[in-house]
Amino acid sequence: DVKVTQSSRYLVKRTGEKVFLECVQDMDHENMFWYRQDPGLGLRLIYFSYDVKMKEKGDIPEGYSVSREKKERFSLILESASTNQTSMYLCASSLGAAKAFFGQGTRLTVV
Amino acid sequence: AQTVTQSQPEMSVQEAETVTLSCTYDTSESNYYLFWYKQPPSRQMILVIRQEAYKQQNATENRFSVNFQKAAKSFSLKISDSQLGDTAMYFCAFIFTSGTYKYIFGTGTRLKVLA
Repeated sequence: DVKVTQSSRYLVKRTGEKVFLECVQDMDHENMFWYRQDPGLGLRLIYFSYDVKMKEKGDIPEGYSVSREKKERFSLILESASTNQTSMYLCASSLGAAKAFFGQGTRLTVV
Repeated sequence: AQTVTQSQPEMSVQEAETVTLSCTYDTSESNYYLFWYKQPPSRQMILVIRQEAYKQQNATENRFSVNFQKAAKSFSLKISDSQLGDTAMYFCAFIFTSGTYKYIFGTGTRLKVLA
């Protein structure tokens, strides 16, 4: 089965730090996604990528950027972490409109 | 704007009973897929069931079935013979089959199965 691996399960960072969240998939999927999950708000799309070096903003891109230099890797970057970015971050990948495969999530705390 | 609404933030059901989770969506597209995902306490999102919008027949997957009403833009999930392992957050989602394949999720329903 497809494996989507996020680099950290738990992360604690200080306000103002630059934070990298890494995601790797092993099935040559063209589409990759970063979602943020907060109680009562569900999954909100931050950015997605449909090919190497191609990206589109999702619903809440402010304060985030992404990088996709290789097909299997999609990185989420918090340029200057703030406390309101404390959240669960989920990475996913998919092939076309088939089901999305998710990583195990990174719970980020910004102090 | 494309939206997905799950109006039940929390639900509970007795073990072995049946429960229905509701989902409505809003889109002007005609071709799309609908999904129900489950997120247990382990946080790993798992696909429960998938429905193609062009198919009139409701999808079923063992104890899980959907009631898809395209005109009403409704996509409810029925869980029969509920088991303790069904305790999880359930998310409804859809994706268009044209353009870029972007999933849109609802806010989730937390289901607790009681022994």
